[in-house]
Amino acid sequence: GNSVTQMEGPVTLSEEAFLTINCTYTATGYPSLFWYVQYPGEGLQLLLKATKADDKGSNKGFEATYRKETTSFHLEKGSVQVSDSAVYFCALSNGGGSNYKLTFGKGTLLTVNP
Amino acid sequence: KAGVTQTPRYLIKTRGQQVTLSCSPISGHRSVSWYQQTPGQGLQFLFEYFSETQRNKGNFPGRFSGRQFSNSRSEMNVSTLELGDSALYLCASSLSASSTDTQYFGPGTRLTVL
Repeated sequence: GNSVTQMEGPVTLSEEAFLTINCTYTATGYPSLFWYVQYPGEGLQLLLKATKADDKGSNKGFEATYRKETTSFHLEKGSVQVSDSAVYFCALSNGGGSNYKLTFGKGTLLTVNP
Repeated sequence: KAGVTQTPRYLIKTRGQQVTLSCSPISGHRSVSWYQQTPGQGLQFLFEYFSETQRNKGNFPGRFSGRQFSNSRSEMNVSTLELGDSALYLCASSLSASSTDTQYFGPGTRLTVL
């Protein structure tokens, strides 16, 4: 079956530090990959996505590249801000129709200190 | 365009009761999915509806059920509530439910079972 493994948190950084959150997946075929972010008391917001190998998703300074050879989709940001403090989820979608669903990693709590 | 809305936002019930949660998808979206979020199990897929048909169901007991109406609005029901059902229940909608589609999430319903 499908699965997503992401680095366990919590991750604590100082403002302007470099961020990497590792994500690897197990799936047959060619899944689509997503990063979602959840702020306290809210639902999930799409941060970025990639739908085929070597695609790079980017948004708000965050980037992730779909690496099929290493089955990875690591999230990076060059300079984090206090407002980036949230829980980040890596997810995959593998199949439409009756197989349509998201499989999530366990989430990584990021805290950015001023 | 309005986002996904969920009502109510908070619910407190006692064991043995039943509960109904409601979700209104983004206008034009035909697929609605439900997820359960708990600290221990993370985000788990409950079921997905498309054009009033349940096409996919996660590994949850039969106490969890749902339906979708002709206007794509969806409800989920949990009967005979147990303490372990306390969770954040998230609804997500997507346009066509292909694997490359983005699922857009609502703010969730926080259910507490006493």
